[in-house]
Amino acid sequence: DAGITQSPRHKVTETGTPVTLRCHQTENHRYMYWYRQDPGHGLRLIHYSYGVKDTDKGEVSDGYSVSRSKTEDFLLTLESATSSQTSVYFCAISEESPQETQYFGPGTRLLVL
Amino acid sequence: KQEVTQIPAALSVPEGENLVLNCSFTDSAIYNLQWFRQDPGKGLTSLLLIQSSQREQTSGRLNASLDKSSGRSTLYIAASQPGDSATYLCAAPSNDYKLSFGAGTTVTVRA
Repeated sequence: DAGITQSPRHKVTETGTPVTLRCHQTENHRYMYWYRQDPGHGLRLIHYSYGVKDTDKGEVSDGYSVSRSKTEDFLLTLESATSSQTSVYFCAISEESPQETQYFGPGTRLLVL
Repeated sequence: KQEVTQIPAALSVPEGENLVLNCSFTDSAIYNLQWFRQDPGKGLTSLLLIQSSQREQTSGRLNASLDKSSGRSTLYIAASQPGDSATYLCAAPSNDYKLSFGAGTTVTVRA
């Protein structure tokens, strides 16, 4: 299995609270992604990174920001959490291109009350 | 934008039967297509990546075919087992190379 960890694995927070999710990889892959998975919507790309300090928006980026200061870490921040951001968040990595095999982390379940 | 559809949404078969999972995509100018498996409460596990230049890709009991001209891919699982019960997702890249995922087919293999 690809070395990808996500923390925390579960989180309950209140509306308006900032939340940061962390993805850590040990594979030295260039690309990292944040997805959210919701019933009826499937997996949707939030943001992705193609190198240290290089990030871009995905399909559903509003309300989210990301940072990548090291190859191995990709942070997803909800600046002010809303109930619509209750979801399961997955981090993924690929070696050199988005078109290569993507390897997924175990996910973080976030509940915003 | 690439749209990926998987039909049916759910499938139940007796053990030993062969499984046929369908995936269709709207933009046929794809570089490749990926199939994933997701167990309940878990992340996605990559099963197969089939390049646009290939027509088939095999791994053990799994075989994926790709027909770009018709915008279809099929995942075959031979001699299904209860351990094959999971949700299977396909993903195809959009013209900006980002993956678009289908909603998945949830498979139940009855012992």
